[in-house]
Formats: sequence, structure tokens, C-alpha cells
Amino acid sequence: DGGITQSPKYLFRKEGQNVTLSCEQNLNHDAMYWYRQDPGQGLRLIYYSQIVNDFQKGDIAEGYSVSREKKESFPLTVTSAQKNPTAFYLCASSISGQGGYGYTFGSGTRLTVV
Amino acid sequence: KQEVTQIPAALSVPEGENLVLNCSFTDSAIYNLQWFRQDPGKGLTSLLLIQSSQREQTSGRLNASLDKSSGRSTLYIAASQPGDSATYLCAAMILTGGGNKLTFGTGTQLKVEL
Repeated sequence: DGGITQSPKYLFRKEGQNVTLSCEQNLNHDAMYWYRQDPGQGLRLIYYSQIVNDFQKGDIAEGYSVSREKKESFPLTVTSAQKNPTAFYLCASSISGQGGYGYTFGSGTRLTVV
Repeated sequence: KQEVTQIPAALSVPEGENLVLNCSFTDSAIYNLQWFRQDPGKGLTSLLLIQSSQREQTSGRLNASLDKSSGRSTLYIAASQPGDSATYLCAAMILTGGGNKLTFGTGTQLKVEL
């Protein structure tokens, strides 16, 4: 079945560490997105990519980095510069970043700073 | 800047009741509006997508309407069941020079009781 796979489901980070969250899709979608979800807040866009080897900052990109070397993969690195990284991270994809296509979401990664 | 608001934040109803969830958005120049369901600790599942040229969409017991001029969308759930208990999110899409952008509301947490 086609879908989006996020791993790991739970991730613990020590202060000062960089961690990378994985997002893989087999839907042949061109566009991919990373969102952060905090209790009581809507999803906020971190980064998005419309095509391979291209990505743009979203609303809260500081302290995060991404790469898009393959169509299927859009990993997110949470760097030590992100001061409050504890959150639920969701990856999504759509057929294209242009036009009004619906989004498909992964099951999320919960990141906790210890 | 697009802002999306959902009212009520939480709702508890007895099984079998029909109910309406509300979503409002500030920028009426949306391309589409999408409703999602989120179970605790899980990703988002797409329920309905309404293009800006449409007035409503239906899927089973769910019906979503869109009124662009007033900046409102509603999700109607008929004959609610305990399995409908979840958080329901609406998201408005606009098209920008950098691609489409989805803005989420904070959700309505629904509990359907036996």
C-alpha cells in the first residue's frame, strides 16, 4: 500500500545533540512538508520541498534543517540551535506543490528532550 | 496572514446525536479547505477536501460545506458513534508564489459517549 512512513515513532534527545527524523513516501508525490504540533496550537510549517534538490523555509524554520536528495525522502534534522524541540513532528506529501491537491500525512514522531 | 479558528475547542455528545463542527478563516481567497481527523498520538487522516468552487462534499455520515464569502466551513457528522471520538482539524489552502500553503486550525476535540 502507498503511504508515508515516519521513523522513529519516539525519539529522545539530549541537550546539545542534533537528531534526524526520517520521512519516506512511496506515493510518487513531488511535494513534501514538515510540520510541528504543540498542545493547544495548530500545526506549524517548518520546511517544504516542491521538487528534488529544492526546499523552502516555512514559518518556524529556525533550528531545523532538511535535505531532498531523493523524491521519496525528506529527512528533518533538529539541531542544537532549536531551543524548544520537544513536540510532535508530522511529515506530509502532496502530488504537487502547485495547485490545490490534498495532503497525506505520516503517523508522526514524538521528540522529547531529556 | 491567514488565520483559521475552530469552535468549539471541545465537544461531548451522546451516541446517535447529529453534530456540527465549525471552522472560520480570515482570508477568503482560499484555493480549497480540507478536514482531517487525528486520533491521540497519531498522524492526520484526510476526511474531506472542498475546492473553492464547490459548496459541499459528502463521504458517508460526513458532510462538509464551504462558504468562501463568509469565511466559514462546517463539518456535519450524522448519527455520531463512539468511534468518531477524535480531534477534528480544518485547514485552509492558499496559493502563493512559492507554492501552496496550508494553514491549520487548532482543532475540535470530540468525545461521543455511550
